[in-house]
Amino acid sequence: QKEVEQNSGPLSVPEGAIASLNCTYSDRGSQSFFWYRQYSGKSPELIMSIYSNGDKEDGRFTAQLNKASQYVSLLIRDSQPSDSATYLCAAFGNFGNEKLTFGTGTRLTIIP
Amino acid sequence: EPEVTQTPSHQVTQMGQEVILRCVPISNHLYFYWYRQILGQKVEFLVSFYNNEISEKSEIFDDQFSVERPDGSNFTLKIRSTKLEDSAMYFCASRTGFNEQFFGPGTRLTVL
Repeated sequence: QKEVEQNSGPLSVPEGAIASLNCTYSDRGSQSFFWYRQYSGKSPELIMSIYSNGDKEDGRFTAQLNKASQYVSLLIRDSQPSDSATYLCAAFGNFGNEKLTFGTGTRLTIIP
Repeated sequence: EPEVTQTPSHQVTQMGQEVILRCVPISNHLYFYWYRQILGQKVEFLVSFYNNEISEKSEIFDDQFSVERPDGSNFTLKIRSTKLEDSAMYFCASRTGFNEQFFGPGTRLTVL
């Protein structure tokens, strides 16, 4: 069974600090990876995508991918109270498996 | 900015009744998806749709479920005879040829 694993948290981070979220995946055929933010009762909102090994930065967010270790991470710099949400890691598969497989999400709370 | 829309936002139905959930994907997108999220659980893939046919479906998507693209804009999910365990948030998503999927706001289905 293809799985995406995340620490469910909760993860508490002081305002202004760096929040670090981690994810591992089991399907080596996964070709791209995504981080979604989900506020309570709302739909997933795409915040980052990463396709190749290394780092990808977008504003306060940095995604990191290590395909050898099957590991994806998301760093949020200068954390704000509005970043408090559940962060979902998702893997997109290869041909014939072209769908998102989600982790259970990590609940992040930014403490003012 | 283009977005996926879904109607209704909340649907209450009696067990055994048929429901149709409606979605309007982003206009230039080619691939369409339905996911569901039972309260407190992970987002789960139901079905993907491309070129007017189902490209992949999960074990959840049994004979009670069907999808249709009746015209150039709408994408529907029908549940023929709802069960209590069908109560969940149902999300429609769409993408272009790239893998980034954008989610609609969801329909909360409550089966009594």
